Amino acid sequence: QKEVEQNSGPLSVPEGAIASLNCTYSDRVSQSFFWYRQYSGKSPELIMSIYSNGDKEDGRFTAQLNKASQYVSLLIRDSQPSDSATYLCAGSSITGANSKLTFGKGITLSVRP
Amino acid sequence: KAGVTQTPRYLIKTRGQQVTLSCSPISGHRSVSWYQQTPGQGLQFLFEYFSETQRNKGNFPGRFSGRQFSNSRSEMNVSTLELGDSALYLCASSLAGGQGYGYTFGSGTRLTVV
Repeated sequence: QKEVEQNSGPLSVPEGAIASLNCTYSDRVSQSFFWYRQYSGKSPELIMSIYSNGDKEDGRFTAQLNKASQYVSLLIRDSQPSDSATYLCAGSSITGANSKLTFGKGITLSVRP
Repeated sequence: KAGVTQTPRYLIKTRGQQVTLSCSPISGHRSVSWYQQTPGQGLQFLFEYFSETQRNKGNFPGRFSGRQFSNSRSEMNVSTLELGDSALYLCASSLAGGQGYGYTFGSGTRLTVV
């Protein structure tokens, strides 16, 4: 199993709907999880971080972490056309004292007006 | 507060040449990580530097190398370029690395090898 996997996509939702983006991770990844948004031709931008089980809300975004099932998700409420982008899930891979962020391949979200 | 600065933005090189890319992290950030992004493979970790020391390395051949200077600026070098090295190279700045901290990415260097 890859360290961080994002298997679904692309995803298309109508404006105003809830977009649900999912990500699973392996035992080699733990501690910290992040969601990045990347617009076409731009670099990734950090939008959410989550470290403990449960939900974390920030505006229209909610990150969910379930360590028992090893998945992390991002919900976008009231989706807007400006949310159309690729969303990257990332987790910390820790080896000894060293760590790095490992990224999934991303899910492309399209919000239809 | 200035962001992460990568230079140059675009590069075109021929096979066999070498290239050096530069990254200046956010002021106060001591960790610089490099990633290669391609459509097929996504973001692949190259290496991380912290306080001038390479702390972590990804699964790339020895043609890929890097260094960090005392002011935290970092360079990466790719020697004997191959067509497959064409990619977007992203530098990411962090206070102390991936554990518990998010990264701030630069705009990237788009490398095309012909």
